[in-house]
Parts: sequence; C-alpha cells; structure tokens
Amino acid sequence: ILNVEQSPQSLHVQEGDSTNFTCSFPSSNFYALHWYRWETAKSPEALFVMTLNGDEKKKGRISATLNTKEGYSYLYIKGSQPEDSATYLCAFHMEYGNKLVFGAGTILRVKS
Amino acid sequence: DTEVTQTPKHLVMGMTNKKSLKCEQHMGHRAMYWYKQKAKKPPELMFVYSYEKLSINESVPSRFSPECPNSSLLNLHLHALQPEDSALYLCASSQAFGGSSYNEQFFGPGTRLTVL
Repeated sequence: ILNVEQSPQSLHVQEGDSTNFTCSFPSSNFYALHWYRWETAKSPEALFVMTLNGDEKKKGRISATLNTKEGYSYLYIKGSQPEDSATYLCAFHMEYGNKLVFGAGTILRVKS
Repeated sequence: DTEVTQTPKHLVMGMTNKKSLKCEQHMGHRAMYWYKQKAKKPPELMFVYSYEKLSINESVPSRFSPECPNSSLLNLHLHALQPEDSALYLCASSQAFGGSSYNEQFFGPGTRLTVL
C-alpha cells in the first residue's frame, strides 16, 4: 500500500508569518509530485508539478522543493496572508502507474 | 474555460433511492476521474475513464456505477447506498491518462453526499 504523509495536519499562524509543511512519499518508482491548494467550498487548484530531484518551483510567495532520493517535498509560504488559508494537498505520481495517490492535506489558517 | 463543474452541490438520499452525480468539462480533456473523500482523509480514486472507456475501477462496490456518455461528461449513478457512503465526491479531468503525461488533474468543487 502506497503511503503519502503530510505534516502537520493543521497549522494556525499570524498574518505575516512564514510557514512550511512537508509531504513524504515513497522514494522508489518516483515519476512526479503534485501540490494542490484547496479553499473551502471551491475546487482544488494545481500549484506545482515537480519532477526532478532538487527541483525548486515558485509562484508568488509560495515555493516548493523536492528531494526524490529521500522521498519528501517542502512547501513554503512567505509572509502568510489570510487569503492563503486553505488545505494544501500533495499527490504522488508513481512511475509505471497512472494514478495520483494523495496525502490527507495540511490545513492552514492565517489570522489577521 | 478551465473549469470542471459538478452537480448537484449537495445531495441527501435514502438507502433505497437512485440518484446520479454529474460532472462536465470543456477543456478537451480525454481522461476523467471520480474520487471519494471522507473528512480528514485523502481523496481516494474510484474510477478513471480514458477516451470514454473505463480504464480503472478501484474495486468500487457495484452500488456505484460510472458512465461516460461523451468526452465532456461523466456521471456517477448511485443505488442502494449505505450511510458509510456519505462523503464528498470529486470529479477531475486531465489531458490524458498514462503515457508520458504528468497527469495534471483539474478538479470540480465536489458533491457533498449524505445517505440517511
């Protein structure tokens, strides 16, 4: 059974704080790692697709890194804003497989 | 149009009812997916359609019956459900399924299903 773990389960920060959370996945048969942002009552929205060991991707104040050898990815948010409040999901895409296996997500709440 | 729409947003049904969930996309995607998500758990894949043919059924009970009438539409027919089937049902689409595709999926907002 493939296990994708995300930590922490939830996080409460103040506006302006920087924060980061982790996605752990199997280090073998890696093909890609996806990050999604999911606001309440909306559709999950793709943030990044990461494919190469050492990859770093950035979109505004959000960035992500990837270590496929040890099986983890970090998502960073610099200067959190209330509008960053959402659930952040990662999904592991296995080589030779065609499915995404999701983690349970990290719930981020940013207080103003 | 990068939107995946799902109807209804909410559905309450009894265990003897028959109902359907609908999903639509107009991005020209050839792969469509149904996921089930229970609170605080990961979305779990149920079915994958590729070019309107069922590619994956993740051992889903037969009381869930998917249908892909054309490349833009995906239905999930529900019959004789159990209370434990109450969950958020998400639909997604992607350009393709498998091959060299990174399989970036676009999601709908989900249907919140309650079975009484």
